[in-house]
Amino acid sequence: DAKTTQPNSMESNEEEPVHLPCNHSTISGTDYIHWYRQLPSQGPEYVIHGLTSNVNNRMASLAIAEDRKSSTLILHRATLRDAAVYYCILNSGGSNYKLTFGKGTLLTVNP
Amino acid sequence: EAEVAQSPRYKITEKSQAVAFWCDPISGHATLYWYRQILGQGPELLVQFQDESVVDDSQLPKDRFSAERLKGVDSTLKIQPAELGDSAMYLCASDRGDRINTEAFFGQGTRLTVV
Repeated sequence: DAKTTQPNSMESNEEEPVHLPCNHSTISGTDYIHWYRQLPSQGPEYVIHGLTSNVNNRMASLAIAEDRKSSTLILHRATLRDAAVYYCILNSGGSNYKLTFGKGTLLTVNP
Repeated sequence: EAEVAQSPRYKITEKSQAVAFWCDPISGHATLYWYRQILGQGPELLVQFQDESVVDDSQLPKDRFSAERLKGVDSTLKIQPAELGDSAMYLCASDRGDRINTEAFFGQGTRLTVV
């Protein structure tokens, strides 16, 4: 499985933007980039995913580097409810479709 | 809003006893996953079902763990006998199963403590 590398932890202030990086230098052409997050004492929840182009939804934006070897999850205005562990996952789909989680990035949001 | 249901939420059991967890996925979801999450780590996939068939159970400790999804709907994960190292959160997830990068939905998990 292609690997991802994320910082162990990051800190942000409330109402400021947050940029969560993910490196995936061994990504293959068919790997989608998925982001999930896990709030304390809850199961993970889907945030966003993309293949090559930048993606936006109501929760966040995903910026994908042109060579696809890295990506950044952008929370435009962090709130206290965004404090969670954020996981960056590569998924190739088809017969190899599965979600393999790493350790993720623990995001702390300061009031 | 549809959600993945898991029960029980919490379970305390003595080592060497049997324990079982139940999961009811979102209606119509063909793929069901069981994950184990040890405190401070990311979820680890134990078993993946497509309908009633096992697609991946390479990380399932088959000497003590078993999983079934007999009618391709709800699923049960069993541990027998439980060991102290099995203490963890057990998460169930489901998705549409079309394997083209859809969104997976997770339940709230079962917190198992083995004493």
